[in-house]
Amino acid sequence: DTAVSQTPKYLVTQMGNDKSIKCEQNLGHDTMYWYKQDSKKFLKIMFSYNNKELIINETVPNRFSPKSPDKAHLNLHINSLELGDSAVYFCASSQRSGGANTEAFFGQGTRLTVV
Amino acid sequence: AQSVSQHNHHVILSEAASLELGCNYSYGGTVNLFWYVQYPGQHLQLLLKYFSGDPLVKGIKGFEAEFIKSKFSFNLRKPSVQWSDTAEYFCAVIDSGGYQKVTFGTGTKLQVIP
Repeated sequence: DTAVSQTPKYLVTQMGNDKSIKCEQNLGHDTMYWYKQDSKKFLKIMFSYNNKELIINETVPNRFSPKSPDKAHLNLHINSLELGDSAVYFCASSQRSGGANTEAFFGQGTRLTVV
Repeated sequence: AQSVSQHNHHVILSEAASLELGCNYSYGGTVNLFWYVQYPGQHLQLLLKYFSGDPLVKGIKGFEAEFIKSKFSFNLRKPSVQWSDTAEYFCAVIDSGGYQKVTFGTGTKLQVIP
């Protein structure tokens, strides 16, 4: 069973379109994240939700809107896609209330290509 | 704010050579430390992790790392690399007392020549 799963794995779309990436975790974790990996492989956090509430919102264009319908899901919707949005997007989850021994589990990534 | 530095951006080694990748972090509180590997075109895989206790931790595929608190370092080592170790390596920290955000270093590309 996949612990953190993302769909789709690959997404090719034209500039200006709106697209969504879905993420689900079956680990019972209370915190979920979205990370962006750019062409230079740099990984940067975008958002974090704890119990469906937004707790981290880094400097991300407001074209990006996360949605957490429940603790197990964190979807990422992107409006008006631009060429610079091309990247690999990773979803992750962790158990924030787990105390000191916290570890994040990552999904397999979604490679978004905007043409 | 926490930060992670990986000073080696690109490392080229011959098979059987020893590997050490540097990682330094900056954070005043309690952190958990990780090394991830990303093979070409693949997702992130956890190599090893440190929470507390013995500062020398062993991971998968023969990798190990040593936490030196006084130096804020968590260097990754492997005595003898193989061609299959060619990948991107990321050091990461989680601030276990804060928002528990995972902060990554900029990554080190390891290329092993047969």
